[in-house]
Amino acid sequence: GAVVSQHPSWVICKSGTSVKIECRSLDFQATTMFWYRQFPKQSLMLMATSNEGSKATYEQGVEKDKFLINHASLTLSTLTVTSAHPEDSSFYICSARDRAAYGYTFGSGTRLTVV
Amino acid sequence: AQSVTQLDSQVPVFEEAPVELRCNYSSSVSVYLFWYVQYPNQGLQLLLKYLSGSTLVKGINGFEAEFNKSQTSFHLRKPSVHISDTAEYFCAVSLNSGYSTLTFGKGTMLLVSP
Repeated sequence: GAVVSQHPSWVICKSGTSVKIECRSLDFQATTMFWYRQFPKQSLMLMATSNEGSKATYEQGVEKDKFLINHASLTLSTLTVTSAHPEDSSFYICSARDRAAYGYTFGSGTRLTVV
Repeated sequence: AQSVTQLDSQVPVFEEAPVELRCNYSSSVSVYLFWYVQYPNQGLQLLLKYLSGSTLVKGINGFEAEFNKSQTSFHLRKPSVHISDTAEYFCAVSLNSGYSTLTFGKGTMLLVSP
C-alpha cells in the first residue's frame, strides 16, 4: 500500500532557530500534500495544502511566513518552522493524497519541542 | 461545508466485549467517509473507507462500519475488542470530487481494559 515517510520523528530546538520537516511519498506520486498540527488530546488541525509546483494554500489563522511549505517534486513536501518559539511546540503530521486509490496516507508525525 | 461529529470523547470497554464508536456527518453534497486510528505519538492509519457501493464496509483489524445516508451516520464497530485496540479513533469526511481536504471529528478514545 501507499507509504508516506516523515522525518524527523522528533526534534528539540532552541527558541529562535528554524526546523525543517520532510514528508515523502515512497511508492506513489502525491500531487497534493497536507500539513496538520495536533495539540495534545485534540483532533488534527489542517494548516495548509500544498500542490506540486505551486504555492501552498494556508488555512485561516496560519502564518505563512512562519510555516514555510515547499512542494518541489511529486514525492517531497517540506514544512519549515521559522524562528521557532515554545508555543510552536506541537505534533506535526503530513498527509499525501493518493489519487489512484482515492485515499489519504499519513506520515508518522513529528514531535517538535522548542526550548 | 461539511462537518463531523463524534459524540463520545471516550469509550471504556472490557476486553472481548463488542464496541461501537459513533460518527455523524453533515454535508449538502455527497461525501466519502473514513475511519482512522492513531496510537500514541504516531500518525494516522486508515481502518476503512466508504466511497460507494455496499454500505457495509469491512476494514483492517476486524473493524467494520456502516454508511447510513438517511441518518448521516458512519458508525464503527468491532464484535470483540483486544487490549491492543486501545487508541484514538478519528472519523473523517471529504467531498467526493476534486481536490478535497479531509474534515476530522474530534476523536474518540477507546480504552480497553482486562
